[in-house]
Amino acid sequence: DIQMTQSPPSLSVSVGARVTITCRASQRVYTSLHWYQHKPGQVPKLLIYGATRLGSGVPPRFSASEPGSGSLFTLTISDLQPDDIGTYYCQQTHLAPRTFGQGTKLELK
Amino acid sequence: EVQLAESGGGVARPGGSLRLSCLVSGFSLEDYGMSWVRQVPGKGLEWLSNINWNGGVTAYAESVEGRFTISRDNARNSLFLQMNSLKADDTALYFCARERYYDVAPDYAMDVWGQGTMVTVS
Repeated sequence: DIQMTQSPPSLSVSVGARVTITCRASQRVYTSLHWYQHKPGQVPKLLIYGATRLGSGVPPRFSASEPGSGSLFTLTISDLQPDDIGTYYCQQTHLAPRTFGQGTKLELK
Repeated sequence: EVQLAESGGGVARPGGSLRLSCLVSGFSLEDYGMSWVRQVPGKGLEWLSNINWNGGVTAYAESVEGRFTISRDNARNSLFLQMNSLKADDTALYFCARERYYDVAPDYAMDVWGQGTMVTVS
């Protein structure tokens, strides 16, 4: 199975901050990498698909990159808002099983 | 409005069985692959299984392979997860999710999720 490792596991953040979350795959997944936001009491929401493409209705302060390795990915939130608090997961769909990272939990300072 | 509604959760004994259902509305089920994902309370998301549009291709996580079976009935707009030989570790909130194909990616991602149904094995 492909292992997905996110860092950091948690982050204490301030409103207006720029936040970067990293996801590393144990083998190349190319652009078969997606990011989800999961707020408490809500269902997960697709933020980014295909490694860098913004999901429907997702504000442009969210962005993602893949520097070309096919195994290292980043999610960036610019100008963090209180509504962005939650847990963020990466998921690879290159091979079954379609594994998630363990999540990165954002908390407000 | 596109909606997914899970049902069938509840309390089961270790070694017992449950069958989860996911009723979809607002779109044609036969146009999409579907997945099941779970979340143990206080833990992260775990992908469990998916099925292609006609049920001909399925895949499972190692943790449920051989115990859980995914299936679908497009005519009834329904997705199912038959869970056998349940363990305490299967206690979780179970979500169904639609897999949308993004041709610019190109790849599948889960773009619509149900609210989940809780399964407790005790």
